[in-house]
Amino acid sequence: DQQVKQNSPSLSVQEGRISILNCDYTNSMFDYFLWYKKYPAEGPTFLISISSIKDKNEDGRFTVFLNKSAKHLSLHIVPSQPGDSAVYFCAASPSGAGSYQLTFGKGTKLSVIP
Amino acid sequence: DTGVSQNPRHKITKRGQNVTFRCDPISEHNRLYWYRQTLGQGPEFLTYFQNEAQLEKSRLLSDRFSAERPKGSFSTLEIQRTEQGDSAMYLCASSPNWAGRRGNEQFFGPGTRLTVL
Repeated sequence: DQQVKQNSPSLSVQEGRISILNCDYTNSMFDYFLWYKKYPAEGPTFLISISSIKDKNEDGRFTVFLNKSAKHLSLHIVPSQPGDSAVYFCAASPSGAGSYQLTFGKGTKLSVIP
Repeated sequence: DTGVSQNPRHKITKRGQNVTFRCDPISEHNRLYWYRQTLGQGPEFLTYFQNEAQLEKSRLLSDRFSAERPKGSFSTLEIQRTEQGDSAMYLCASSPNWAGRRGNEQFFGPGTRLTVL
C-alpha cells in the first residue's frame, strides 16, 4: 500500500518552460513534505520542503504547493534548465519527535530538452 | 567536504557471504538513518539512530541485518548470509537535532551499491 504516490514515471519539458511534478499522499498523519533530486550514481539531494501550516514555499526557481484537502502537492520549476534533468522524489513525514521516518514516492524522471 | 560519506561505493559479493558498509554522517548531526533503494522504487526506511541508540527498525530489516553506531559517530550496516534479493543501493542519511525545528530534512550520502551474485 503506497502512502506516497508519484503517478508520472517520466516528464519531458523544453528548456525555459515550466516543469510541474505531482505527488499524492494517503496518510492523514503526514504533515511535512519534502522534495529530493537524484542524479544517477548519487544519493538524493534535498531540494525544498513545506509544512502543512503553509500552502506554498518558494526557493529561487523552485516552488512547492500543498493542497491538504486534496492530499496533493506539486513542485514547480521555472524556468527549467538542462541541469534539472534528474529523478525527483516526493517524501513525507508526520511532525513531532516521532517523525524520523521519511516515506518516499517512486520518483519522476524529468528530462529538460535544450 | 562536510557531507555524508559512505564506503565502499560498490560491493560485489557471492551469495552467502557477509558484507559490512560504513557511513560517516555530517559531524554535528546526532541522527542517522539507513534506507534501501531498489530499481524503480524510492528509498525505503530501514533503521534510525539517535546518537548511539538504535530507536527504530523497519520490518524490512530481517535478522540477517544488523546496524550499529558506536559512540554516536559513524555507523555500520552488516548483512549476513547475503541473498540475491539483498542487491540494492544502501543509503545513509543524517539530520540535526529537532529542537526548535518543525521538519525532518535528512541529508543523504552517495550510497553503497550492493550486487549479490
